Amino acid sequence: AQKITQTQPGMFVQEKEAVTLDCTYDTSDPSYGLFWYKQPSSGEMIFLIYQGSYDQQNATEGRYSLNFQKARKSANLVISASQLGDSAMYFCAMREGSTNAGKSTFGDGTTLTVKP
Amino acid sequence: GAGVSQTPSNKVTEKGKYVELRCDPISGHTALYWYRQSLGQGPEFLIYFQGTGAADDSGLPNDRFFAVRPEGSVSTLKIQRTERGDSAVYLCASSFQANTGELFFGEGSRLTVL
Repeated sequence: AQKITQTQPGMFVQEKEAVTLDCTYDTSDPSYGLFWYKQPSSGEMIFLIYQGSYDQQNATEGRYSLNFQKARKSANLVISASQLGDSAMYFCAMREGSTNAGKSTFGDGTTLTVKP
Repeated sequence: GAGVSQTPSNKVTEKGKYVELRCDPISGHTALYWYRQSLGQGPEFLIYFQGTGAADDSGLPNDRFFAVRPEGSVSTLKIQRTERGDSAVYLCASSFQANTGELFFGEGSRLTVL
């Protein structure tokens, strides 16, 4: 089974609007971390936000917030007030507890296009 | 430099040749990772090092692929007898420790096997 599923190959959003990028995950490990990364067309992957499985509150970093629904195993990324520079590929990733401590598994990504 | 550095940025080779890809991680980062990314897909894990030792090499596709990190800093990914299917962007990342924190990625090495 896919460990990380991103069901939206492409998304469009109007500049200044908010957008939600979906991510569901599959693990039996009670300890895990969830990450979102942005990959612009230039190629370099950039870390955006992190959520730990035991964190009580949803993570926020500036315009980015993570809608963490543990029972549903979903970790959606919300970008508020979209900017043209947000156009990029976005990847959800998971690192599972101590058994695979260093290894992150990535989804296939969502391409976000911000329209002026 | 301040970030993860990968060389070469582009490599074109012929089927059957040997290739080396180099990664220089962020100073002080003990964990180093190699991923492979094909067009339109997410990064696929290959191997990671904690210090000098390969802590998990379960993602290496076959014995043509090998990676080393002899002094716990720079790493080299080695591919023998390259095949057309090896064509991809090879990403290197580092982190302060293996089980905490985010990954810091380099710009990748694009390998094309003709």
